[in-house]
Amino acid sequence: QVQLQESGPGLVKPSETLSLTCTVSGYSISSDYYWGWIRQAPGKGLEWIGNIHHSGNTYYNPSLKSRVTISVDSTKNQFSLRLSSVTAAGTAVYYCARTQRPNFYSAYEHWGQGTLVTVSS
Amino acid sequence: QSVLTQPPSASGTPGQRVTISCSGSTSNIGGNTVNWYQHLPGTAPRLLIYSSSQRPSGIPDRFSGSKSGTSASLAISGLQSEDEADYYCAAWDDSLNGYVFGTGTKVTVL
Repeated sequence: QVQLQESGPGLVKPSETLSLTCTVSGYSISSDYYWGWIRQAPGKGLEWIGNIHHSGNTYYNPSLKSRVTISVDSTKNQFSLRLSSVTAAGTAVYYCARTQRPNFYSAYEHWGQGTLVTVSS
Repeated sequence: QSVLTQPPSASGTPGQRVTISCSGSTSNIGGNTVNWYQHLPGTAPRLLIYSSSQRPSGIPDRFSGSKSGTSASLAISGLQSEDEADYYCAAWDDSLNGYVFGTGTKVTVL
């Protein structure tokens, strides 16, 4: 059974870069599927950030594209999120997830538990 | 602003049927399949429906989905107290070249 776990700093200063890692167990990232990041700000709905395939193919939310980088480290079976120039609007619970099918447009069936990141000085 | 619009709230008594709508456009729902998620506070979202009407393994058949044109809907029949949660539709948007979530609907069991 595939399992995902987010990790990273829970507090980031405004204008700095938010960095999170998702560690995958029970499945090799190098095998297939797309691996994504989704977030939920307090009192708001779910927002898709982007996804990546182990081949390096990526898709990003157009509203965040200029500040987002998602990368894969197959040797560690991890993928990561970097969001630069964060503001208070970046305060959210960040989830990593895997698609249900090996397509970039597929639903997300497997999720991590989420990690709260607060942007504050 | 999400491109998929849902009613902010829905409610029903135990045993009733509740339906949630999701309105989009030709670039998302009109041309792609719809997925539905259940989200309880403090937990990871759970995929309820994929490909507009299919249930993943383990999802009760009380949950059903449908799509027509640029709209989709999720129905919960035999409403139970544990169904009280937030529900989101989602789909790929060809114009945005990204995955979009709906605005979310809070379901309350009266």
